[in-house]
Amino acid sequence: DVKVTQSSRYLVKRTGEKVFLECVQDMDHENMFWYRQDPGLGLRLIYFSYDVKMKEKGDIPEGYSVSREKKERFSLILESASTNQTSMYLCASSYGMSNQPQHFGDGTRLSIL
Amino acid sequence: DAKTTQPPSMDCAEGRAANLPCNHSTISGNEYVYWYRQIHSQGPQYIIHGLKNNETNEMASLIITEDRKSSTLILPHATLRDTAVYYCIAVLTGNQFYFGTGTSLTVIP
Repeated sequence: DVKVTQSSRYLVKRTGEKVFLECVQDMDHENMFWYRQDPGLGLRLIYFSYDVKMKEKGDIPEGYSVSREKKERFSLILESASTNQTSMYLCASSYGMSNQPQHFGDGTRLSIL
Repeated sequence: DAKTTQPPSMDCAEGRAANLPCNHSTISGNEYVYWYRQIHSQGPQYIIHGLKNNETNEMASLIITEDRKSSTLILPHATLRDTAVYYCIAVLTGNQFYFGTGTSLTVIP
């Protein structure tokens, strides 16, 4: 089975802190994704990556950056956390071939105080 | 990618089949229909996907109408553990997945 692991289930940080969210997948997937999920808004794509050291902006990249130094690991960085970044963050991965489903981790519930 | 429309909520009796509808009337010929579900406090779980033909796996069946404008996810024998939010997504190969607000399914004992 595909395993997508997010480093923390719950995280509390303060406004202005630099926050790192880590995601690791064990299926040698080429593609990796970061979403945030907020009530009534569904999932929104922040960034995605099709290969090592490669990144593409999603729909809401402002205030975030990403890093993909190794194929299995995709990090989301909040450069200077703000209260409006309090959310559930979900990581996903998929094979690079067409028509492949994305597989998700269990999410990190991040609170910015 | 085509917009999908789902009812906001549904109930189903335990042991009965749960039939979850999805409308995707603007779907193009190359867009696949994917179904996911999300149980509270967990990430979305992939269920099934298809293009034209009906599909079945160990979790569910996917019935796509001949004109491809709608589809139905069938959970043949719903259990309490199937209570979740179910998302229907129409996506062109290689494009992003857009999750809407889905259908909240409650399985009733």
